[in-house]
Amino acid sequence: QVQLVQSGAEVKKPGASVKVSCKASGYTFTSYFMHWVRQAPGQGLEWMGIINPSGSSTTYAQKFQGRVTMTRDTSTSTVYMELSSLRSEDTAVYYCARDARMIWGVTSFDYWGQGSLVTVSS
Amino acid sequence: DIQMTQSPSSLSASVGDRVTIACRASQSISRYLNWYQQKPGKAPKLLIYAASNLQSGVPSRFSGSGSGTDCTLTISSLQPEDFATYYCQQSYSTPYTFGQGTKLEIK
Repeated sequence: QVQLVQSGAEVKKPGASVKVSCKASGYTFTSYFMHWVRQAPGQGLEWMGIINPSGSSTTYAQKFQGRVTMTRDTSTSTVYMELSSLRSEDTAVYYCARDARMIWGVTSFDYWGQGSLVTVSS
Repeated sequence: DIQMTQSPSSLSASVGDRVTIACRASQSISRYLNWYQQKPGKAPKLLIYAASNLQSGVPSRFSGSGSGTDCTLTISSLQPEDFATYYCQQSYSTPYTFGQGTKLEIK
């Protein structure tokens, strides 16, 4: 069965960086794009970007350009999201989500990781 | 960026009620519209993709309709497990924006 297992909670100081991992299993890792979505406490969902695990191409939301880097390791079927220059507003749960485009030709997020809480506090 | 606006932002209803949640896009998105359900402390769950296609395993009381700038999610007969927050999302172009959410509460 498809599973996306994310790394644990992190506490970071302002200005630091955080790297969140998402390990995929139960499907062909390189066949499905992966997205990152975040959710601040009590707030809605915010799309951050997408990575193609096959060729490692990425597209980031303009809001995060210059601060976010998405990478992958095909040997371990893991994608990573690194966010730098952290500020208090980056406190949120970060999710990875698989893109179902491969199945029915349109983007939707059919499987999600359990979420990783990143807290930015001095 | 395409702005997605849901209405209402919150809704009180009873078990057995029929409810409809609307989602409006700031420009035409054809049928590139998805619906998710989220319960507290959990990841979102895909309900409907491409405006009207039911995700595998989702009960048939959920349905989606619409195209262009206006779409709706309908729950035909609310069950206790349906009380949650619902989000629409456009997948027409990046950034793949979400609506602000509709919180469905028990009356």
